[in-house]
Amino acid sequence: GENVEQHPSTLSVQEGDSAVIKCTYSDSASNYFPWYKQELGKGPQLIIDIRSNVGEKKDQRIAVTLNKTAKHFSLHITETQPEDSAVYFCAASDDGANNLFFGTGTRLTVIP
Amino acid sequence: KAGVTQTPRYLIKTRGQQVTLSCSPISGHRSVSWYQQTPGQGLQFLFEYFSETQRNKGNFPGRFSGRQFSNSRSEMNVSTLELGDSALYLCASSLADSYTDTQYFGPGTRLTVL
Repeated sequence: GENVEQHPSTLSVQEGDSAVIKCTYSDSASNYFPWYKQELGKGPQLIIDIRSNVGEKKDQRIAVTLNKTAKHFSLHITETQPEDSAVYFCAASDDGANNLFFGTGTRLTVIP
Repeated sequence: KAGVTQTPRYLIKTRGQQVTLSCSPISGHRSVSWYQQTPGQGLQFLFEYFSETQRNKGNFPGRFSGRQFSNSRSEMNVSTLELGDSALYLCASSLADSYTDTQYFGPGTRLTVL
């Protein structure tokens, strides 16, 4: 089955700086890569996703890049704000099933 | 549009009991997936239901089962509870127009097994 690795496990940045979280996956059949943000006591919230026919996608301060050859994808958050503090999960899925394989999460802390 | 709702939000049970959790998907969404979240194992896929049929299943024992009703609402059942079943159980819904549809998560049900 698919195996998704995520790094780093914790990340602290100063407000206004950028944050980068990286994930690798093992199954070349995977073609859908969402990123979720989870705040304390809440379920994961989708923040951005990318499909294998696209190399990069942006949404305001958030961007995701995908390198299918190297089987890795990354989340970039620019101009970080204290409200960006949360746990971020990457995930991967293939066309065979509507199930997500998640990374182990990155706890992001933005220091005011 | 209302989001995914899950009931109850918190549940305390004892070993050996069984439990049923409920999930109401976003209106119009036909697929419901269930996930277990624990500090040790992270987020793991349990199963997915589409049009009242289990379409995919993760690697969990048969004590974990589910079903989906004609209105797309879904229930998950865990029988003969074990201490290790303590977790946050999340459901996610999607349109399921294709297999890789965006999934939207509910707030989860926190199950504690004593």
